[in-house]
This record gives sequence, C-alpha cells and structure tokens, in this order.
Amino acid sequence: DAGITQSPRHKVTETGTPVTLRCHQTENHRYMYWYRQDPGHGLRLIHYSYGVKDTDKGEVSDGYSVSRSKTEDFLLTLESATSSQTSVYFCAISGTQGLGAFFGQGTRLTVV
Amino acid sequence: QKEVEQNSGPLSVPEGAIASLNCTYSDRVSQSFFWYRQYSGKSPELIMSIYSNGDKEDGRFTAQLNKASQYVSLLIRDSQPSDSATYLCAVNDQGAQKLVFGQGTRLTINP
Repeated sequence: DAGITQSPRHKVTETGTPVTLRCHQTENHRYMYWYRQDPGHGLRLIHYSYGVKDTDKGEVSDGYSVSRSKTEDFLLTLESATSSQTSVYFCAISGTQGLGAFFGQGTRLTVV
Repeated sequence: QKEVEQNSGPLSVPEGAIASLNCTYSDRVSQSFFWYRQYSGKSPELIMSIYSNGDKEDGRFTAQLNKASQYVSLLIRDSQPSDSATYLCAVNDQGAQKLVFGQGTRLTINP
C-alpha cells in the first residue's frame, strides 16, 4: 500500500460543529486530493492540492475548506457540518500529473 | 462540466466468461485514463492505466482506448468470483491537474 493514512477512520458529529479530517502521506507526492463517495454519485472531487499552499476547488467544494502547510499533510475542514455531508471521504495522492492516484483507507463521517 | 460516464449496472457475468466494462468521456484533450477496482467497504485500487490508442494487456485484464470516439473499456478474461466489485473509470483532466471519475459499474461474477 502507498503510504497514506487518513484520520479519523470513523466519526460521528452533530450538525453545526466543525470537523477536520487529516490525510498524511509518506511518499513525498506532489498532488493530493479529497473525494467524497455517496451511493449513486461515485467519487466526487472536493478539493485538491498541487503543492504546499497550492490548492483548488473540485466539483463539490461548497461547505469545505482545505489546507496544506506541509507536503505530507492535507487537511479537509467542514466549517459547520450538515447532514448532507454524511459520506465516506477518501484522500488520494499522485506523484506526477498524468499518472494514477493512490487512495487512503477512507473516513466514514456521519453528521446527526 | 467535464464528464465521465459509465453504466452503473449491475453487470452479471458467468464465471470463466469475458466481462466487458465501458466508459465514455467528454474532454477531448484528456491524455491519461485509468481503471480502478473497489470492493465493498474498501478504497479504490488502481488496476490499469492507458495513455495511447489501442490495447494494453496485464494478465487477465485488457484496457482499450479509442480517443477519436472518446471511450475506454476494460475486458476481464476468465472472470472469477473474486472479480466481483465496482469498477471505476477515471480520466485525467490535464488542464486542471485533477482526476475525474465515473459513477462506477458494479460487476458480479456468478459461479
């Protein structure tokens, strides 16, 4: 397995609370991605990063923010969690543009 | 919106037969194409990549790319029950440096 660790693996939180998910890599890869996966929607890109402090929005970025202050860490923050953000969140990394990405184990987030 | 389309299935194939999975994409400048396999409750696993027109074979898997028609396919020969999974097609959006996924096709291999 590629050296990717997501934390936490499971989380239950209340509506309106802030939540931060962490993705940590040991591969020194340039590109990092956050996806969410929901039944009937496949994998949808939330945000991605192409270097330290370089990030951009994906197709479902509303309600989410990210930060990347070090090559190895990419944080996803839900500023005020809503029930629609209940999902499985995957982090992925890629070393070179145009090559495939490798995924972490996923975080199952439930907002009640 | 650049899109990647797959038939969500389920696709049911008898053991030992060839499973054929298809994917179309809308962005003509895409250069890199990938197939991922995802078992229930697990993360996606990269199984094939293809960059030029034609076929690429790896064991029982063959990826086919036709850029003129904007489709990618995955053939699985001698299908096994362990091949039962959801298969995700992904296309590299080179302009924006991101990977766009289709919805996935759920494949079931029947013993």
